[in-house]
Amino acid sequence: GAVVSQHPSRVICKSGTSVKIECRSLDFQATTMFWYRQFPKQSLMLMATSNEGSKATYEQGVEKDKFLINHASLTLSTLTVTSAHPEDSSFYICSARQSSGGRTADTQYFGPGTRLTVL
Amino acid sequence: GDSVTQMEGPVTLSEEACLTINCTYTATGYPSLFWYVQYPGEGLQLLLKATKADDKGSNKGFEATYRKETTSFHLEKGSVQVSDSAVYFCALIEAAGNKLTFGGGTRVLVKP
Repeated sequence: GAVVSQHPSRVICKSGTSVKIECRSLDFQATTMFWYRQFPKQSLMLMATSNEGSKATYEQGVEKDKFLINHASLTLSTLTVTSAHPEDSSFYICSARQSSGGRTADTQYFGPGTRLTVL
Repeated sequence: GDSVTQMEGPVTLSEEACLTINCTYTATGYPSLFWYVQYPGEGLQLLLKATKADDKGSNKGFEATYRKETTSFHLEKGSVQVSDSAVYFCALIEAAGNKLTFGGGTRVLVKP
């Protein structure tokens, strides 16, 4: 089946630094990728929808200047948390939609997530 | 807006016990409903789905029926195995949308 990877799986950084998280579709092309954030014991919350070759669409309340998303190719999307602060500590999960798929959720494959801890 | 509510865990069971995870939703229109499973250290995987009222999704011994009248999509398995230990997420997507709305997840631990 389709595989989506994320790198790194865990990252610890100091407050004020920027962190880049990569999401790759390993064996299929993804015109659309989604970035989610998950707090402990809470739902996955959609942060933004990333479309290859165009600007990401951010959900209400998500700061686009803080969470920079780039989807430069059909197999790679990156999320950069700029000037990270402790409140940005969370579990970030991406998913990739297979281009030739039918209903969106049928062909939305998820990465294993990245645990970000900001000290 | 759309929302999904599922029972909080953890749910601890013995092997071969019956499992039920309740899920109810709020949505406009007629959403499609899903159960995803996340095994330790892995990404979310689609477990089963139902796209219209009274549809029953099934996979790997799990079942869930789309109940429009009660806006529910409860997940059931008659006899769980240790390998079923995971976090289960109920989710929906609006008919005209492309965004998944997730419940909070339910951790299930099956003991031998």
